[in-house]
Amino acid sequence: GNSVTQMEGPVTLSEEAFLTINCTYTATGYPSLFWYVQYPGEGLQLLLKATKADDKGSNKGFEATYRKETTSFHLEKGSVQVSDSAVYFCALTPPAGQFYFGTGTSLTVIP
Amino acid sequence: GAVVSQHPSRVICKSGTSVKIECRSLDFQATTMFWYRQFPKKSLMLMATSNEGSKATYEQGVEKDKFLINHASLTLSTLTVTSAHPEDSSFYICSAALGGSYNSPLHFGNGTRLTVT
Repeated sequence: GNSVTQMEGPVTLSEEAFLTINCTYTATGYPSLFWYVQYPGEGLQLLLKATKADDKGSNKGFEATYRKETTSFHLEKGSVQVSDSAVYFCALTPPAGQFYFGTGTSLTVIP
Repeated sequence: GAVVSQHPSRVICKSGTSVKIECRSLDFQATTMFWYRQFPKKSLMLMATSNEGSKATYEQGVEKDKFLINHASLTLSTLTVTSAHPEDSSFYICSAALGGSYNSPLHFGNGTRLTVT
């Protein structure tokens, strides 16, 4: 079947620290992978995506690489800011299928 | 800018009344929209897939008579919570895919916080 597993939160970091949020998946076929971000009181926004193995998605300093051999799509950022405080969701969509979301990881960045 | 508009953002209603939530795709046509419910621990639950011009497809365990979905046009889907009860209080989010392929990203509305008193 299809599923996404994210690291449990919450995660608290100091400003300018390095961020990694782990995401692994199981899927049938060759899925596309996504990271979404949800700021307080808002809906989800697409942060980045990758559609095939070894693709790297990047946006706003965040990066994630589609690793087929380890079935992972870890989110990284070299230097977080207070404004990055949000909930991050990893997601996948298999060919001709619905989206599957992880449970979300809450990130708080303190000055 | 936002490509999916959801309204209202917050609503408080009394137990037993019905509430309608609208989801509009802006500047694109969405033959399919999705309704999610978000629980306190942040996980998203897909409630139903809304199909323009046909009946919605509900996920297992979601009461279709309680959560009425209408997708009357290519830019509008509505979710009506009928005879709401306090346990229906939640954050409801709609979404639509901008492109037509399976890997087109979903674009989400800003959600509706429903509180049933």
